[in-house]
Amino acid sequence: GENVEQHPSTLSVQEGDSAVIKCTYSDSASNYFPWYKQELGKRPQLIIDIRSNVGEKKDQRIAVTLNKTAKHFSLHITETQPEDSAVYFCAASSHSGGGADGLTFGKGTHLIIQP
Amino acid sequence: DTAVSQTPKYLVTQMGNDKSIKCEQNLGHDTMYWYKQDSKKFLKIMFSYNNKELIINETVPNRFSPKSPDKAHLNLHINSLELGDSAVYFCASSPPLLSGNTIYFGEGSWLTVV
Repeated sequence: GENVEQHPSTLSVQEGDSAVIKCTYSDSASNYFPWYKQELGKRPQLIIDIRSNVGEKKDQRIAVTLNKTAKHFSLHITETQPEDSAVYFCAASSHSGGGADGLTFGKGTHLIIQP
Repeated sequence: DTAVSQTPKYLVTQMGNDKSIKCEQNLGHDTMYWYKQDSKKFLKIMFSYNNKELIINETVPNRFSPKSPDKAHLNLHINSLELGDSAVYFCASSPPLLSGNTIYFGEGSWLTVV
């Protein structure tokens, strides 16, 4: 099955600086890579996703890059703000199982924005 | 108007008891899931149902039994609760395959076994 590794486990950056979270995956059949943000006591919520036919996707201050050859994908947050503080999860999935395989999540990165 | 709703939100119970968590989605999705999030925040899939049919059953003790009466509902029943079952349980759903595999989570059910 799929295995997703995520680094770092904790990331502290100054407000206004950029933050980068990296993930690797093991299953070359994986073709969908979402990122979720989970605030304290809340549910994980999708913030951006990328599919295997695209190398980069951007949405305002958030961008995701994908390197299928190296099986790496990364989340980039620019101009960080206090409200960006949360736990971020990367995930990967493949449709090869008929669409109900679910997502395999990384272990999460606790992003702390220092004022 | 909550898309994926689960009840109860908080549950405190004694070891050995049996409890259920209910989940309903009004998104018209075919696939529903149960995920467990432990104290270290790790999200792990437990079960996946597609149109009421069990697709995934990860290595979960058979004390955990999912029930899907229809494709909009996926309930989780837990027998003989143990201390290690304390966690947050998230129900989730996703649209048909051709629409993508984005998963939408419910608000979570905080289970504490004492």
